Amino acid sequence: QKEVEQDPGPLSVPEGAIVSLNCTYSNSAFQYFMWYRQYSRKGPELLMYTYSSGNKEDGRFTAQVDKSSKYISLFIRDSQPSDSATYLCAMSGNSGYALNFGKGTSLLVTP
Amino acid sequence: ETGVTQTPRHLVMGMTNKKSLKCEQHLGHNAMYWYKQSAKKPLELMFVYSLEERVENNSVPSRFSPECPNSSHLFLHLHTLQPEDSALYLCASSPPGGYATGELFFGEGSRLTVL
Repeated sequence: QKEVEQDPGPLSVPEGAIVSLNCTYSNSAFQYFMWYRQYSRKGPELLMYTYSSGNKEDGRFTAQVDKSSKYISLFIRDSQPSDSATYLCAMSGNSGYALNFGKGTSLLVTP
Repeated sequence: ETGVTQTPRHLVMGMTNKKSLKCEQHLGHNAMYWYKQSAKKPLELMFVYSLEERVENNSVPSRFSPECPNSSHLFLHLHTLQPEDSALYLCASSPPGGYATGELFFGEGSRLTVL
């Protein structure tokens, strides 16, 4: 079983829709959970990270972690065409430098 | 210049060539990373340098050789590569503790094609 599972999509939504992106994981030692956004031909950029379970909100973006279900989500409200990108989830435990990434979900927001 | 800069952006090389990828960060960070991004695969950590000392090497073949001459520069020397090494190579830097919280700042990557 892969450590981090993420549906690659593509996911296509109309402008203004609420987008839900998700990852599941198997390693209960993960404590930090991140979401990155990667535009075409660019490097990933960190959107937000959360520690342990709970919610975190930043503008139109909300990250949610449910450690009991080993499930994390990123919600995008009022989605915009500029949100079209690949979204990568990642997570880390208490040791080592490696982040465990999902394969990324490709999102297209159509005007 | 700001952020993390990688050169070249695109590189095509034969299997017997020797080439190098360069990364420079202007953020004052103390850790630098090489990641490999292949189609339909998660990002794979290759090397980590903290305060110019290599602290992690994730079973990367010896045909990839990193070099970190100072905290602002990172190189990846390439020699006798295989076609399956074709990928996007991403450099990143982080402030102290950033590796845990995912506060990595990535460059735009060097797209490598091995013929």
